[in-house]
Amino acid sequence: EDQVTQSPEALRLQEGESSSLNCSYTVSGLRGLFWYRQDPGKGPEFLFTLYSAGEEKEKERLKATLTKKESFLHITAPKPEDSATYLCAVQTNSGYALNFGKGTSLLVTP
Amino acid sequence: NAGVMQNPRHLVRRRGQEARLRCSPMKGHSHVYWYRQLPEEGLKFMVYLQKENIIDESGMPKERFSAEFPKEGPSILRIQQVVRGDSAAYFCASSSAQGDGYTFGSGTRLTVV
Repeated sequence: EDQVTQSPEALRLQEGESSSLNCSYTVSGLRGLFWYRQDPGKGPEFLFTLYSAGEEKEKERLKATLTKKESFLHITAPKPEDSATYLCAVQTNSGYALNFGKGTSLLVTP
Repeated sequence: NAGVMQNPRHLVRRRGQEARLRCSPMKGHSHVYWYRQLPEEGLKFMVYLQKENIIDESGMPKERFSAEFPKEGPSILRIQQVVRGDSAAYFCASSSAQGDGYTFGSGTRLTVV
């Protein structure tokens, strides 16, 4: 059975304190791994799609990387506006659905 | 350039009533997906539709739930005879092609009282 596990569940950082969020996955045939950001009361906002091990993508203070077993979302020098829940999801070759993890709730304090 | 539009944003229904949730995809998108987010749980896939076709409904409960995406108009997620366990946030997403990064709407928060 496909599984997506995100850690930690919650993370509190000081402004400027870099860190990484983890997404471990077990799937049969990865088509793509997706990262989203979700603010309270809103829908997920697309960040990145990664397709193959070794791939990296960057956007402002965020950088996503992918291996055969896990993905990391690195946050460099975060700001309070980066506070949100970060969701990881996988899509397999056998279907169309995104299988989401439960997310990491990030709080960045000034 | 409006994004994915969902309405209503909040919906309150009494047990046994029907709930209709609407989703208009982004302009140019012909693929629509519905997801449900229960409290303390992750987003769960429900159904994938293209115009006038249900492609994958493997995540839909077998009873009381149905979805459509007609040739004209928004996609509709319909829940008949709602129960308290149906209370959740329902999100619609759209894409221009299967497998592209989806764009999500802001969701409909259904409360069954």
